[in-house]
Amino acid sequence: KQEVTQIPAALSVPEGENLVLNCSFTDSAIYNLQWFRQDPGKGLTSLLLIQSSQREQTSGRLNASLDKSSGRSTLYIAASQPGDSATYLCAVNTGGFKTIFGAGTRLFVKA
Amino acid sequence: EAQVTQNPRYLITVTGKKLTVTCSQNMNHEYMSWYRQDPGLGLRQIYYSMNVEVTDKGDVPEGYKVSRKEKRNFPLILESPSPNQTSLYFCASSYRQGGGYTFGSGTRLTVV
Repeated sequence: KQEVTQIPAALSVPEGENLVLNCSFTDSAIYNLQWFRQDPGKGLTSLLLIQSSQREQTSGRLNASLDKSSGRSTLYIAASQPGDSATYLCAVNTGGFKTIFGAGTRLFVKA
Repeated sequence: EAQVTQNPRYLITVTGKKLTVTCSQNMNHEYMSWYRQDPGLGLRQIYYSMNVEVTDKGDVPEGYKVSRKEKRNFPLILESPSPNQTSLYFCASSYRQGGGYTFGSGTRLTVV
């Protein structure tokens, strides 16, 4: 059974710092991996989608990498800003119609 | 604007009173899904639909029903809500299997 783990559960950094959020999964046979952002009490906003054949995706200050063989993905945020404060979720699609979500990393960027 | 619309955003109801949470998408997506989000448990899939008239159970389907009579709509039905169904509910859609999700804004349901 696929399990998705995100470490750390919470992170507090000063503004301007570069940071890395981690996502690990137990079964490397994935179809794709998607990173989301969730603000308190709000919906999920898609940040990046990495297909299984890709190694990374970039959008602005965000870069997500995927290493299927080691069961890991990282989300790199450059020059963090207070507006980046949110919970970041990774979701693994195993090729069926089920997607498994990690519990998320709660990020707080201090001004 | 491409979006998934859920209604209502907030709902307080009493145990046993049937309710429906609506979900509609305007992107002609084939795949739609319902999730619930609870503290410490993360997002868990309730039901999903691969296309019109095709639905299947997710990980936590007990106490819920769905239907997919039209491509754009995927309502979640609670026939007899109970307090353990108090949660934040999300509808999501994707243009194909594994195509990446678009989520609705969520419905916060409280059952007293």
